[in-house]
Amino acid sequence: DAGVTQSPTHLIKTRGQQVTLRCSPKSGHDTVSWYQQALGQGPQFIFQYYEEEERQRGNFPDRFSGHQFPNYSSELNVNALLLGDSALYLCASSLGQAEAFFGQGTRLTVV
Amino acid sequence: QQQVKQSPQSLIVQKGGISIINCAYENTAFDYFPWYQQFPGKGPALLIAIRPDVSEKKEGRFTISFNKSAKQFSLHIMDSQPGDSATYFCAATKYNFNKFYFGSGTKLNVKP
Repeated sequence: DAGVTQSPTHLIKTRGQQVTLRCSPKSGHDTVSWYQQALGQGPQFIFQYYEEEERQRGNFPDRFSGHQFPNYSSELNVNALLLGDSALYLCASSLGQAEAFFGQGTRLTVV
Repeated sequence: QQQVKQSPQSLIVQKGGISIINCAYENTAFDYFPWYQQFPGKGPALLIAIRPDVSEKKEGRFTISFNKSAKQFSLHIMDSQPGDSATYFCAATKYNFNKFYFGSGTKLNVKP
């Protein structure tokens, strides 16, 4: 079992650009959540997808959007990148209400 | 308002000692409290978790103590080892939502 896989592992973008991050959940998991972890901080919840619908959303602007595909994989899109968007972006998957497993994250640097 | 407060920010413990990390939460609706371990460059890995129907849960060298009335819970690492050196995060959620609120993390350094 490959666990939760995220791509790419590292990414450098310029202010104002758009970025797409990808997540493949652990085999059998149907729920995907995205978190932003700034350096030296705990992860902060962005949103959660279940059955291809956004089920919950944290306190993030509309520049952050997502998608879940029929195979349960997910994408996180961020538009109009700001320097403050530089962070580790984590994907977590779960099956229903079971425990969540995290991927190793995508390190996004905005310059 | 920070939903979960964690202390200390950093901790140095000698090999074989006990590491203790504390967390406090605000929302009484929370009913699932996991602890995650994170190594540099890696995602958080679930270490141990507790539901509020018990006051303590032990798995190997790791123990969670839970005080529902005080809205506090703590992680105890017995016989701490250098390999335990990592950042530890407490979290809280309503079990059927899996929307985790994380503490700010504790960087543990176990000296050989």
